[in-house]
Amino acid sequence: NAGVTQTPKFQVLKTGQSMTLQCAQDMNHEYMSWYRQDPGMGLRLIHYSVGAGITDQGEVPNGYNVSRSTTEDFPLRLLSAAPSQTSVYFCASSYSLSPGPADEQYFGPGTRLTVT
Amino acid sequence: GESVGLHLPTLSVQEGDNSIINCAYSNSASDYFIWYKQESGKGPQFIIDIRSNMDKRQGQRVTVLLNKTVKHLSLQIAATQPGDSAVYFCAENSGGGADGLTFGKGTHLIIQP
Repeated sequence: NAGVTQTPKFQVLKTGQSMTLQCAQDMNHEYMSWYRQDPGMGLRLIHYSVGAGITDQGEVPNGYNVSRSTTEDFPLRLLSAAPSQTSVYFCASSYSLSPGPADEQYFGPGTRLTVT
Repeated sequence: GESVGLHLPTLSVQEGDNSIINCAYSNSASDYFIWYKQESGKGPQFIIDIRSNMDKRQGQRVTVLLNKTVKHLSLQIAATQPGDSAVYFCAENSGGGADGLTFGKGTHLIIQP
């Protein structure tokens, strides 16, 4: 299994540009999520999905869109990038909505995004 | 401990020594706790977990201690190795669904040769 994969690893955008961060998992996990990680702060949930066709907002959803057309893929879209979106983005997946014993949440390697 | 600013707290230990990383959690209703390790340029990786009905759990070279009275969690790493250098952070699950997982800010562990 490749686990959770993310592309690209690095990206530089100008303010106002749009882009899509890709995330895929091959573990047949129903639950997928996007987090952002900023210096000195814990991971913050942006959006999540409990299965194909179902998405919902997390703690910091503004400026981001998601869709879940397949179990495997969960892309994150920035419609009009802003400097405040400079961050490292992690995608994660697990079998269930609420990670617990024997249901570990797996993280991708991250995408480092800079918006100038 | 947890960071309140832009810089993570740092713990520096000699290779071979034991290290203890601490975490104060916020929600007394949290019933499950996780420690993650994050190496530079990589995603977080699960290390060990503990349910709220336990006060200690051991893994390979790692032990997690839970003190619910003071809402404190610690990760002990025995006989540290260079590969243990990373940022370690805790997470608590208050059972509230997707956003029930709250992450700490992390501690940077540096292993000195």
